[in-house]
Amino acid sequence: GAGVSQSPRYKVAKRGQDVALRCDPISGHVSLFWYQQALGQGPEFLTYFQNEAQLDKSGLPSDRFFAERPEGSVSTLKIQRTQQEDSAVYLCASSLATQGDRGGGGYTFGSGTRLTVV
Amino acid sequence: AQSVSQHNHHVILSEAASLELGCNYSYGGTVNLFWYVQYPGQHLQLLLKYFSGDPLVKGIKGFEAEFIKSKFSFNLRKPSVQWSDTAEYFCAVPDSWRNEKLTFGTGTRLTIIP
Repeated sequence: GAGVSQSPRYKVAKRGQDVALRCDPISGHVSLFWYQQALGQGPEFLTYFQNEAQLDKSGLPSDRFFAERPEGSVSTLKIQRTQQEDSAVYLCASSLATQGDRGGGGYTFGSGTRLTVV
Repeated sequence: AQSVSQHNHHVILSEAASLELGCNYSYGGTVNLFWYVQYPGQHLQLLLKYFSGDPLVKGIKGFEAEFIKSKFSFNLRKPSVQWSDTAEYFCAVPDSWRNEKLTFGTGTRLTIIP
């Protein structure tokens, strides 16, 4: 598609509920990133995929967070047993560049999923 | 690990005023540097980027930024702002020279008064 598509745009979850957030990157983009943006803060890195390989998951805050990109295109971020501190906007971004490519970093972001845990 | 500081949290200017938003980073090696903008209700988009060469880079909508290596800075400037520049601005730097992972600053909210 023309841009990075994320769904749903808004999600309200009861504490303890599992949620799944979807990202559909730009076709052909090798790299895919998930970021978490709390209110009044900048985006914080969660995880990075190059094709289907998850090369970096150092930003995932706990083992309740899990991300996958099984066929190297669409990605899903899953949060199990949601907590109130998980409330944030979850951003997906994709890029043509790959790890080690100094021309990289020019991401295209999606509109994000705003997760509210009540 | 890289860190990025944006010292101006909220800036309020009148139209036609000049703008400078500060950005400082910690990594001392060769870096790529980025400014992203988020207009109200829209997604983050790339405003400009520096990879190498001329330290003064020009972006969209009349914005420019200057990379000063000795000061670890990459300040964003615009000579004359417009109401439509009202947005949140984020400076970002890769975690290391070979890494795609970006570290973002906390952002500066810019409000332009007509």
